[in-house]
Amino acid sequence: EIVLTQSPGSLSLSPGERATLSCRANQDIGSAYLAWYQQRPGQAPRLLIYAASTRASGIPDTFSGSGSGTNFTLTITRLEPEDFAVYYCQQYGSSPWTFGRGTKVEVK
Amino acid sequence: QVQLQQWGAGLLKPSETLSLTCAVSGASFNNYYWTVIRQAPGKGLEWIGEITHSGFTNYNPSLESRVTISVDTSKSQFSLKLTSVTAADTAVYFCARGPTLLGPTRWAIDPWGQGTLVTVS
Repeated sequence: EIVLTQSPGSLSLSPGERATLSCRANQDIGSAYLAWYQQRPGQAPRLLIYAASTRASGIPDTFSGSGSGTNFTLTITRLEPEDFAVYYCQQYGSSPWTFGRGTKVEVK
Repeated sequence: QVQLQQWGAGLLKPSETLSLTCAVSGASFNNYYWTVIRQAPGKGLEWIGEITHSGFTNYNPSLESRVTISVDTSKSQFSLKLTSVTAADTAVYFCARGPTLLGPTRWAIDPWGQGTLVTVS
């Protein structure tokens, strides 16, 4: 099973600041098979990024993804109030499909 | 616009069977993997399994002995059954649309249903 390790576990930032979230896999998963999701409190997760760097429909360009192989990054260039949430990475490289434990982006 | 509506019993006793049904509208039911994920209170996301319109299934080995996902293409619905539940199965259960069957495949889960809280007590 592919294990995805997200770091940091939590991030305290102010609105307008830049957030950089990491997701590392214990096996090479290429770049086509890595997705990022945002989950606000009490809501279902929402797809942000797929294929490591492609924004999903309706996702603002303040969100960007990069990486391949085992190292992936989600960057939020300027945090808006609605961006404070938990972010998960997920892989489709090898079944069972797995998620990271999440990074919580909270208001400083 | 794709919508997933889901329903199922919210309170179960240990050893009972969890049942969840997901209805899909606004999308071609035949073109996707249909997926179930769960999230224990305050915890992360766990993929349970997926099914196609033809009945092909893929389960998480950690739950495979207790899970059945079935499909009713006439109603554009899929259903989860999880047997012999314990308190560890207490979670919000999400129905969702998985990757496309036909290329180019977008390997992601989108959209997600609203979630159903199932408590085992």
